[in-house]
Amino acid sequence: GAVVSQHPSRVICKSGTSVKIECRSLDFQATTMFWYRQFPKQSLMLMATSNEGSKATYEQGVEKDKFLINHASLTLSTLTVTSAHPEDSSFYICSAESSYEQYFGPGTRLTVT
Amino acid sequence: EDQVTQSPEALRLQEGESSSLNCSYTVSGLRGLFWYRQDPGKGPEFLFTLYSAGEEKEKERLKATLTKKESFLHITAPKPEDSATYLCAVAPRSYNTDKLIFGTGTRLQVFP
Repeated sequence: GAVVSQHPSRVICKSGTSVKIECRSLDFQATTMFWYRQFPKQSLMLMATSNEGSKATYEQGVEKDKFLINHASLTLSTLTVTSAHPEDSSFYICSAESSYEQYFGPGTRLTVT
Repeated sequence: EDQVTQSPEALRLQEGESSSLNCSYTVSGLRGLFWYRQDPGKGPEFLFTLYSAGEEKEKERLKATLTKKESFLHITAPKPEDSATYLCAVAPRSYNTDKLIFGTGTRLQVFP
């Protein structure tokens, strides 16, 4: 149980374009989902908390107009990186909360050229 | 300030050589402490949740313990497939959500 999927697993895009990443809880409903970013050999950095049916809460220093989050249902949250630049290249990981525990997706490797 | 520190940063073990990983934390009230395993290029895999001092949980060769200031992840007779980065995270009571503060992890390598 408690399986979380992400799509796509890898994406390469050109600078200035937008990229959408999907996060789904497959066997449970998640009122709250989280989006993280991870740089090589570093720990996870929380970007935002996503609540179903309401606006996301962004961490300090995270641009909400650049990283658009939509939590349209209890099983789906999306992160859209708008006008991506090479510095946005990173490993993006989502998690979904079930019974106060967070279960993580497999991650999405974004490369902006 | 809420903080999580893991040590050592890296650990190399011979197969069968037991050891412990440490997670020290400073939080204004602990809602829960979590251990995850992360393989390269993948998302963290949930291992344990500990809620109160004195609590212990086991899974195969892993055992997690919790005190008021730190948690240990004991690895008994490790195998090469236990090689991974082990992450510790805490959920402070002061937050109005269940967001986690992560440590920087311990990279474990087990050699045959």
